[in-house]
Amino acid sequence: EVQLVESGGGLVQPGRSLRLSCTASGFTFGDYAMSWVRQAPGKGLEWVGFVVTKPYGGTTEYAASVRGRFTISRDDYKSIAYLQMDSLKIEDTAVYFCTRDRGRGYYGSSGYWGQGTLVTVSS
Amino acid sequence: EIVLTQSPGTLSLSPGERATLSCRASQSVSSNYLAWYQQKPGQAPRLLIYGASSRAIGIPDRFSGSGSGTDFTLTISRLEPEDFAVYYCQQYGRSPRAFGPGTKVDIK
Repeated sequence: EVQLVESGGGLVQPGRSLRLSCTASGFTFGDYAMSWVRQAPGKGLEWVGFVVTKPYGGTTEYAASVRGRFTISRDDYKSIAYLQMDSLKIEDTAVYFCTRDRGRGYYGSSGYWGQGTLVTVSS
Repeated sequence: EIVLTQSPGTLSLSPGERATLSCRASQSVSSNYLAWYQQKPGQAPRLLIYGASSRAIGIPDRFSGSGSGTDFTLTISRLEPEDFAVYYCQQYGRSPRAFGPGTKVDIK
């Protein structure tokens, strides 16, 4: 069974950093691209970014709203995806979901989702 | 950047009725890389449809997707009580993999 468990969320002051982790199990982690999607309270889904697999160069891409502040990485040995969030802003407050692409390859829909972890940016 | 719009914003229907949800893209979606997700309050979204018309594993056949290019539709043939939720479309053929704003299907 595919499982994705996010951790690392919490309360953080504006301008500070936070790192989220997504621990995966139930599949060969290195075979799939991993994404982060967030949802501000009462709002819709916002794609944050993704990291593809090593055969595709481990490329990362980001939404304009987080580019230059957030970094996505992966550790295929530990089956963990990370979201490093720097220079946090109040508008980054959201539930952050980790997702796994449905299939192997560069282009994929989010076939599996974690339960999400809440990040609150406030002074 | 491809921008997705969804209509209507809210759809009020009764159980047993047919629901038709629209997703329109500002540019053609390459290879019909268009997905639909369902989200219920307090839950993570769930993939319903990928590739514009393929049902994900375990999704009932009352859910169907259609369309190509810039216009896509999610149809729920007969609404069950558990189908009342918010539905999002997403294009994943080009970065950013934007989501639409969502359509809420609520009970009339």
